[in-house]
This record gives sequence, structure tokens and C-alpha cells, in this order.
Amino acid sequence: RKEVEQDPGPFNVPEGATVAFNCTYSNSASQSFFWYRQDCRKEPKLLMSVYSSGNEDGRFTAQLNRASQYISLLIRDSKLSDSATYLCVVNIYGGSQGNLIFGKGTKLSVKP
Amino acid sequence: NAGVTQTPKFRVLKTGQSMTLLCAQDMNHEYMYWYRQDPGMGLRLIHYSVGEGTTAKGEVPDGYNVSRLKKQNFLLGLESAAPSQTSVYFCASSYRTLYYEQYFGPGTRLTVT
Repeated sequence: RKEVEQDPGPFNVPEGATVAFNCTYSNSASQSFFWYRQDCRKEPKLLMSVYSSGNEDGRFTAQLNRASQYISLLIRDSKLSDSATYLCVVNIYGGSQGNLIFGKGTKLSVKP
Repeated sequence: NAGVTQTPKFRVLKTGQSMTLLCAQDMNHEYMYWYRQDPGMGLRLIHYSVGEGTTAKGEVPDGYNVSRLKKQNFLLGLESAAPSQTSVYFCASSYRTLYYEQYFGPGTRLTVT
């Protein structure tokens, strides 16, 4: 099982749609979790951290399920500007890879 | 604040040539990282540093060397470039690891012919 796995995508949705991305991680020692956004030919940027109780930032909601080793990102009322690749990122305390594991990303394309 | 900057933005090398990529951050971060990103592979960690004068290997360190002589700078060297090193290279920094956001530079697009 790969350390961080994401929905393969791409997701093609109309404006205004609700879309959900899933991510599973294999290491139960994982301590913290993030969603990053990467626009085409740009660097990744933090979208939001994921807290144990779940958290919301405007149209974006992140959930964490430690028992199932699963995190999710929900985007409501999709905008054209949401088109990007979304990276699931997991921090593992004491890991050999500088503690940060990136998923391969899920591409979202929002159409008019 | 400039954040994280990378030099150069683009470079074409011939097989066997050497080069150094420079990363600089002005946020007084302790941790710095070098990643490469290839289509279908996602971001992979090459080397990282948890403080001035210290470096460690990541997932794909072969063919690369790094140095962190100053806290604000992290250099990535390719001693003898190979076509397999054609990639986009991102530098990142964070205050600490674990709970802290990583800030990325704009990337260096390297082509080795």
C-alpha cells in the first residue's frame, strides 16, 4: 500500500457543483495533515490544514478519520478559479523522508 | 518579504555538465527542503535540512548533493547531470516540521539533453 493515495481524477465538474476528494494514508503514526493546491506550472500552496475535529474555511471543508486513516476535502459551489491540482499531504513524526509525504494529486477542472 | 526564491528559473544542461540550484528564504525558517516533481510521480523529496550545517537524505538523493552553510540558503548540486534528472525542482522551507506549513519557491525547470 502506498503511503498516501488519492483519487486518481481528473474531476470535471460544472460551476456551482459540489466535489469531494479523498485521501488515504498508510502510516498510523501520522501526526498532521494538509491539503495543498497547485496551479498549472506553479508551486504548491497550502489550502488548509486538517484538524481532528474537522474544519471549514468558506466553501472548503476538510475531515479527518484517524481510525480509517482517511482524510477528505469537500468543495461547495465550485468556481472556475478552483481549477487546480489538489495535493494531500501527511506529516509523519520521525519519518525518514523529512516527515512530509505528498500524494500525487487530484486534478480538478471546473467548467462554465 | 520575498518568501522563498529560487535561482535560476530555467536551465538546459548537456549530459555530464554540473550546476548548482540556489534556494533562499527570508522567513528565518529552520527547515528547508528540495523536491523534484515529474509527471505522474508527484513531489519527491531529494534532500532536506533541519538547520544550518545539517543535511539529510530524502527519498531520491542519488546524483544530488546539498549544502546549508547559512540558515537562509540551501544549495542543490548536480555533479554530472543525466537526462533522468530532467524535472521541475522545488525548494521549500518551514518554521519547523510536523505541524507547520511548508512554503515553496516558484521552481526551477531543468532539462538535461
